[in-house]
Amino acid sequence: DADVTQTPRNRITKTGKRIMLECSQTKGHDRMYWYRQDPGLGLQLIYYSFDVKDINKGEISDGYSVSRQAQAKFSLSLESAIPNQTALYFCATSEGDGREQETQYFGPGTRLLVL
Amino acid sequence: DQQVKQNSPSLSVQEGRISILNCDYTNSMFDYFLWYKKYPAEGPTFLISISSIKDKNEDGRFTVFLNKSAKHLSLHIVPSQPGDSAVYFCAAIRTGNQFYFGTGTSLTVIP
Repeated sequence: DADVTQTPRNRITKTGKRIMLECSQTKGHDRMYWYRQDPGLGLQLIYYSFDVKDINKGEISDGYSVSRQAQAKFSLSLESAIPNQTALYFCATSEGDGREQETQYFGPGTRLLVL
Repeated sequence: DQQVKQNSPSLSVQEGRISILNCDYTNSMFDYFLWYKKYPAEGPTFLISISSIKDKNEDGRFTVFLNKSAKHLSLHIVPSQPGDSAVYFCAAIRTGNQFYFGTGTSLTVIP
């Protein structure tokens, strides 16, 4: 089973609709992240959470909100979807203990199309 | 403001030759650098990393070089194989803080 899972994998929605993307992890990591990938722009950080009680805005948080329901779950919401939020969304986790070997582990992505 | 930049969106290399992917950064506080590889329809996966106290780290066919004075790192793949065809992202971090990713370079290895 995958360590980081995302649901749904694909989603088509209409402008103005509220949608939620969910992320679950079995790695036991404290830190979780949401990124979006657009062509030519790489991975842009939307929100991140260093533990259950910690939520931080990333580079492009406008139009998004998150909820850290548990250590293993981190959800991303689009309150009122707009077409320029069409993108590939990735969830990631990291151990976050400050060790040199820290890295992030990514989910498979959610492809979102807003019409 | 893009703190990590990959100026080459794409690169094509013949199988068996060397692939060199480049990455530049602006923040001198970064102390750890990573390369990720991404296949279509999959999330990025960790490939290799280097601490700022080193200038080279090697893992099989993959070597990462770090030039702190130039704020530049590169990933060398020797010999390149068709299975290496993917998008490569470099990332930088100040330990304990958030990651910053480059825009990616799409590598195509021609058989």
